[in-house]
Amino acid sequence: NAGVTQTPKFQVLKTGQSMTLQCAQDMNHNSMYWYRQDPGMGLRLIYYSASEGTTDKGEVPNGYNVSRLNKREFSLRLESAAPSQTSVYFCASSAPTSGLYADTQYFGPGTRLTVL
Amino acid sequence: AQSVTQLGSHVSVSEGALVLLRCNYSSSVPPYLFWYVQYPNQGLQLLLKYTSAATLVKGINGFEAEFKKSETSFHLTKPSAHMSDAAEYFCAVRFSGGYNKLIFGAGTRLAVHP
Repeated sequence: NAGVTQTPKFQVLKTGQSMTLQCAQDMNHNSMYWYRQDPGMGLRLIYYSASEGTTDKGEVPNGYNVSRLNKREFSLRLESAAPSQTSVYFCASSAPTSGLYADTQYFGPGTRLTVL
Repeated sequence: AQSVTQLGSHVSVSEGALVLLRCNYSSSVPPYLFWYVQYPNQGLQLLLKYTSAATLVKGINGFEAEFKKSETSFHLTKPSAHMSDAAEYFCAVRFSGGYNKLIFGAGTRLAVHP
């Protein structure tokens, strides 16, 4: 199993450009998440998807959109990138809410995005 | 507001010394508690988690954490630091009553020197 995969690993954008970050998981998890990581601030939740076909805003959703394409894939889109969106983006998926691995989130390797 | 506080953004220890990373949360109801580790240029990996089964939780790589309700704390310890423990450590909390959303602390970067 590859776990959670993310593409691309690195990206440089100019202000105003758009792009989509891709995430896929092969663990048959229902729930998926997008976080951003900034120095001294830990991880902050951007959007999450409890199950295929549903998405909800997290702590910092402004400037982002998401699509839960199917059970495996959850993409994050920046329609008009801004320098404030320079960050490392992590996708995660979580196990069921009962059992030994309940509530555990599994993370991808991250995408480092720079907006000039 | 629900929050997680990690005391000390940087901790430095000698190889073989005790590691103590502090985490406090704000909640009147015991939540689920997690410690994650992030090695350079990698994603987060679960070290251990507390789910009310036992107050002392053992994780991977010799780490353990003790849940203390009276102190609303979940500090991470390791008796003897190894060079390979150098990483950033995040405490995270899932507060009961909400969906499986984690709130992360700001992180503590652990340095281990010879």
